[in-house]
Amino acid sequence: ILNVEQSPQSLHVQEGDSTNFTCSFPSSNFYALHWYRWETAKSPEALFVMTLNGDEKKKGRISATLNTKEGYSYLYIKGSQPEDSATYLCAFREQAAGNKLTFGGGTRVLVKP
Amino acid sequence: EAEVAQSPRYKITEKSQAVAFWCDPISGHATLYWYRQILGQGPELLVQFQDESVVDDSQLPKDRFSAERLKGVDSTLKIQPAELGDSAMYLCASSPRPQGSTGELFFGEGSRLTVL
Repeated sequence: ILNVEQSPQSLHVQEGDSTNFTCSFPSSNFYALHWYRWETAKSPEALFVMTLNGDEKKKGRISATLNTKEGYSYLYIKGSQPEDSATYLCAFREQAAGNKLTFGGGTRVLVKP
Repeated sequence: EAEVAQSPRYKITEKSQAVAFWCDPISGHATLYWYRQILGQGPELLVQFQDESVVDDSQLPKDRFSAERLKGVDSTLKIQPAELGDSAMYLCASSPRPQGSTGELFFGEGSRLTVL
C-alpha cells in the first residue's frame, strides 16, 4: 500500500495572505505527481501534473514544486482569495501502474475575508 | 466543455437495500475509474476499466459491490446490500488512452451516498 500524506489536514487563511502545504509520497518508482483542486459541490479539477525532479509549475497565483528524491511536493497560494477555498488533493502515480493514482487525504483550505 | 456525468447526485438508502450509480465519461476516453471518498480521507480507487475490460478491481469489495462497462462507454456501480460503512462520495473519472497522455483524470461531481 502506497503512503501518500498531506499536511496540514486543514488551514484557515486570511484573505490576502500567502500559504503553502505539503504532499509527501514514496521516493522510489516515481512516475508523476498530480495536484487537484476540489471545490464544494463541484468536481475535482486538475491543477498540475509534475514529472521531473525540480519541476516548478504555476497557474495564476498557485504554484507547485517537486522533489522526487526526497518525496515531497509543495503547493503555494499567493495572496489568497475567498475563491481559493477548496480541498487540495495530491495524487502519486507509480511507474508501471498505468494511470492509477493514489491520493493523499487532502488539505482543506478556508480563506476568510 | 466536455464533462463526466454522474447520477444521482445524492442518494439516501437504508442498510440492506440495493444502490446503483451511473457514470458517462467524456466521449472518446478509454479509461474509466470509480473512486470512493470517505469523509476526511482521500479518494480510494475501487475499479478501473480500459474500454470494457476491468484492469484493476483489487480494492473493490466484491461480496457486495459490482461494476460494469458493457459497451466500453458508460458504467454502472452497484452495491447490494448497502451497509452503514458504505456512506461516502462515489466519484467517477475518465482519462484518454495512456499513450501520450499526461495521466490527468477528469472527474464528475460525484454521487453522495448516505446509508441509514
